[in-house]
This record gives sequence, C-alpha cells and structure tokens, in this order.
Amino acid sequence: EAEVAQSPRYKITEKSQAVAFWCDPISGHATLYWYRQILGQGPELLVQFQDESVVDDSQLPKDRFSAERLKGVDSTLKIQPAELGDSAMYLCASSRDRGNTIYFGEGSWLTVV
Amino acid sequence: AQSVAQPEDQVNVAEGNPLTVKCTYSVSGNPYLFWYVQYPNRGLQFLLKYITGDNLVKGSYGFEAEFNKSQTSFHLKKPSALVSDSALYFCAVRDFLNNAGNMLTFGGGTRLMVKP
Repeated sequence: EAEVAQSPRYKITEKSQAVAFWCDPISGHATLYWYRQILGQGPELLVQFQDESVVDDSQLPKDRFSAERLKGVDSTLKIQPAELGDSAMYLCASSRDRGNTIYFGEGSWLTVV
Repeated sequence: AQSVAQPEDQVNVAEGNPLTVKCTYSVSGNPYLFWYVQYPNRGLQFLLKYITGDNLVKGSYGFEAEFNKSQTSFHLKKPSALVSDSALYFCAVRDFLNNAGNMLTFGGGTRLMVKP
C-alpha cells in the first residue's frame, strides 16, 4: 500500500536555528497538506498545495515558516528561526484531489530546546 | 465556519464489550465526516468516512460510524473492543459546499483505553 513518506522522523534543534522537513506524497496525489499537531491536540492545517500552487496558507506563520512544492511532487517545510513554541509533530498528508480522502504520513517530531 | 467536538477526553472499555466514541459537528453546508486513529508516535490512519448515502458507514478493523443529521453527530462504534484498539481517535469534518479548499477541521481527540 502506497504511503506518504516524511523525513526526518525526529529532530532536536536549538531555538533560533533553522530546521527543514521533507515530504513525498502518494504517487498521483495532486493535493499536499502540512499539518501541525501539538501534543494532546488535533492537527491544524498550516498549508495546502494543489500541484505546485499554494491553495491555503492562512494559518502559516509566514514570518518564520515557509513551504514549497516546486515540481508539484515532493515538498519541504522550513522553519527559521525555530522557537520553543514550535515543538510539535509536523504531519504531511496528500489526497488524489481536493475532494478525496486525505492520507497522512508518519509525522516528524520537532523538539526545540 | 466548521467545527468538531469530541466531548470525552478518554473512554475506558473492557475487552469484548462494545465501544462508542462520540463526535458532534457544526457546518453551514453539507458535511463530509471522517474518523482517523493515531497510535503512539505515529501519523493518523484513515478509518472511515461519510459522504452521502447510508447513514451507517463501515470502515477498517471492524469499526463503523453512524451519521445522524438531526443530532449533528457521527459517533464511532465497534461491537467488540480489542486491547489493540487502544489509541487516540480523531473525528474530522469538511464543509462540502462552503469549503472549496478541502480543509479538514479536527476535533481534540479521544483516547480509547481497552482493558483485558
């Protein structure tokens, strides 16, 4: 069964440093999402791509977060500079199109110290 | 705006007994409803969804959910719980007509504990 691939699985970084997460969606899925899940809470959408275009980044803290999906396949989420409050799991997900079921990767745990 | 409420932080049930995890939603249009399960340190796994049609939806691992429009609920159920069902369960909603971006809104999650 095809899966959404994410790396790294775990990352510890010092505050003010830069950190990046990578995601490879299920083959053929045009829509890609980045969610943030704080421990004990449900996931919250950060950014959504349709192919290489951003559809929704209204919840992305653009002063420090950036996301790209240059060729409409894999994607990178960057945080610079990282803050203590950024400690969370960053989940990548994909769907065949906007109206279809969303499938999640295993997530990338970020701890900022 | 769309929202989801999972009123129970934790549900405890004995193995072999039926289980119910509650979810209520609020949308201005027609709801698409989903249940996901999350095991420790893992991503979310899709269990089942309601789009239209039969109010009783069957999903993975013997789970099912019943859509009730009048009560705006989508409770997750299983006739006989297994210890391995112990995990965090999330209900999610998308407003089909008013949300062209396909944004899913998640509830806060309910931890299911199944004891032997």
